[in-house]
Amino acid sequence: SQQGEEDPQALSIQEGENATMNCSYKTSINNLQWYRQNSGRGLVHLILIRSNEREKHSGRLRVTLDTSKKSSSLLITASRAADTASYFCAPYSGYALNFGKGTSLLVTP
Amino acid sequence: GAGVSQSPSNKVTEKGKDVELRCDPISGHTALYWYRQSLGQGLEFLIYFQGNSAPDKSGLPSDRFSAERTGGSVSTLTIQRTQQEDSAVYLCASSLEGRLSTDTQYFGPGTRLTVL
Repeated sequence: SQQGEEDPQALSIQEGENATMNCSYKTSINNLQWYRQNSGRGLVHLILIRSNEREKHSGRLRVTLDTSKKSSSLLITASRAADTASYFCAPYSGYALNFGKGTSLLVTP
Repeated sequence: GAGVSQSPSNKVTEKGKDVELRCDPISGHTALYWYRQSLGQGLEFLIYFQGNSAPDKSGLPSDRFSAERTGGSVSTLTIQRTQQEDSAVYLCASSLEGRLSTDTQYFGPGTRLTVL
């Protein structure tokens, strides 16, 4: 199964701190995508990193990919209360996204 | 439209009844996907359409589940003889081309199905 597995399951930090979430998967991939889900906006695409890339940035987001270890990480810098949500990684190897159970991030003021 | 829309947003039904869930993808997107998210679980892939055809139906959990897409646009997911374990949020997504390593899937708000 390509299903991503996020770690930790839950993370609680204060505004301004950085949040790091990790993802592991089992087999080869074309790319890996990160999504955010909250009750207000549903599931939203954050960033895609290709299998031949090692690091990618988008605003306050930094994603790394280590295909030799079959792992990825998502770093959110200078977190805000609005970042409170569940974050999912989704290894992609064709057309279906194989989400894990996600990391639940709580950012308190 | 501006995004993927799904209807109804909530559906409560009795065990044994049939339900139909609808998805309107983003205009011009050729690929359409159905996923299911159960309480505390990740998103489970159900089926994928490229145009009107479904190359992969392997994710459908049982033969009570079926889906169709007409005119390369609207899709309907039908669940026959619903069971309590079918209770979940059913999410639809669309993407421009499908099968591309850079294709982003855009998700609808989902239909929350509750089977009593």
